[in-house]
Formats: sequence, structure tokens, C-alpha cells
Amino acid sequence: GQNIDQPTEMTATEGAIVQINCTYQTSGFNGLFWYQQHAGEAPTFLSYNVLDGLEEKGRFSSFLSRSKGYSYLLLKELQMKDSASYLCAVKDSNYQLIWGAGTKLIIKP
Amino acid sequence: ETGVTQTPRHLVMGMTNKKSLKCEQHLGHNAMYWYKQSAKKPLELMFVYNFKEQTENNSVPSRFSPECPNSSHLFLHLHTLQPEDSALYLCASSQVPSEAGELFFGEGSRLTVL
Repeated sequence: GQNIDQPTEMTATEGAIVQINCTYQTSGFNGLFWYQQHAGEAPTFLSYNVLDGLEEKGRFSSFLSRSKGYSYLLLKELQMKDSASYLCAVKDSNYQLIWGAGTKLIIKP
Repeated sequence: ETGVTQTPRHLVMGMTNKKSLKCEQHLGHNAMYWYKQSAKKPLELMFVYNFKEQTENNSVPSRFSPECPNSSHLFLHLHTLQPEDSALYLCASSQVPSEAGELFFGEGSRLTVL
């Protein structure tokens, strides 16, 4: 079966760096997405990786290794507003999105 | 503001009630989706509409009935629901469902079935 694994919850300190990992086993691969979802709000798109390597977008970066079935989202200079759930999703060979259960990130002052 | 609006934001209904969830997108997209989000579980895709035609129905019970009158509007009609159907129902839209387009989500309708 198809599966996306990511940690359920992580805690980090304001101003620090945190890395949220995502491993996947899917039938085919057509890209990996990261979404951010604040409590009670809509998930919003953060990043898309289809080739190996690092994509940087301000304080957020996303890395992909297709051979390892692995991605991470790196958040730098953490701010309190970064407290949210982070969802990893992979598009399989049929362009179906397979979702992880999300990682709840708690930022402490 | 994501360009996708869902109403109502909260809904409480009994198992014998009939209600509807509404979604409207202002982004000019041609694909719309219904997802179910339960605590600590992955998003579950329920229905996909591409150019108003239903292209996915992921074994969803018949007590959930979707309707897509045009590319901008999507409804989810609910009847004789069960308590386990309590969840956040998210609507999303995208430009081209078969490519790498990102999804734009509404804020969801929080459904409680008593």
C-alpha cells in the first residue's frame, strides 16, 4: 500500500531551526508538496519538489531525495506564528495526492 | 483569504437531519475537491470534479452526495449521517488536477453529528 510517514508532534524554541521529516512509499512519484495549516484555518501551500535537491523560499526550505523516498521541511529563525501543522503529500503515478497525517509544530518562547 | 469560501463554518446535526455544505471558488480553477479531515489522520479524498464532471468517488457512503452545478460551485449534501462522520470537511480547487498544480483550500466546515 501507499504510505506517508511524518512525526506526530514536534516542539522547538523561538529563533531556532527545526527540521520536519517525511518518508514516503508510493506507486510512482510526480512530486511532493508541503502545506501549512494553522488551527481552524485552511491548509496553505508551502513548497513543491519534483527533482532531488533543496528548494529555498525565505525562512522555509524543502529537500527531496527520490532514491530514498525522503523529504524534509526546514524552518529557520522560528517565530511564534510558525506554530501550526505541516502536511506532507506525494502525487503518485496516477497524479493522486497521498497525504501524511501531519506534524503539529509547537513553538515555545 | 485563499479564494475558496465554505459555508457554514460549523454545523451540528442529528442523524436524521438533511443538510448541505457549500463551497465557492473565485480563482477560475477547473477542478474542485471534497476532503474529510479527522484528527491525527491523513486527509481523505472524497470526491473530485473536473470541468463539472465527477472523476473520483473514493468509496464514499451514499449518505454523502456531491453536486457541482458549475466550475465555481460545489455542494456536499448530507443525510442520515453517523457520529463517526463528525469531522472537518475541506473543499479545495486547482487548475489542472492531473498535473502538479497546488491545491487551494477553504477553511472547512466543522461537522458534528449527534
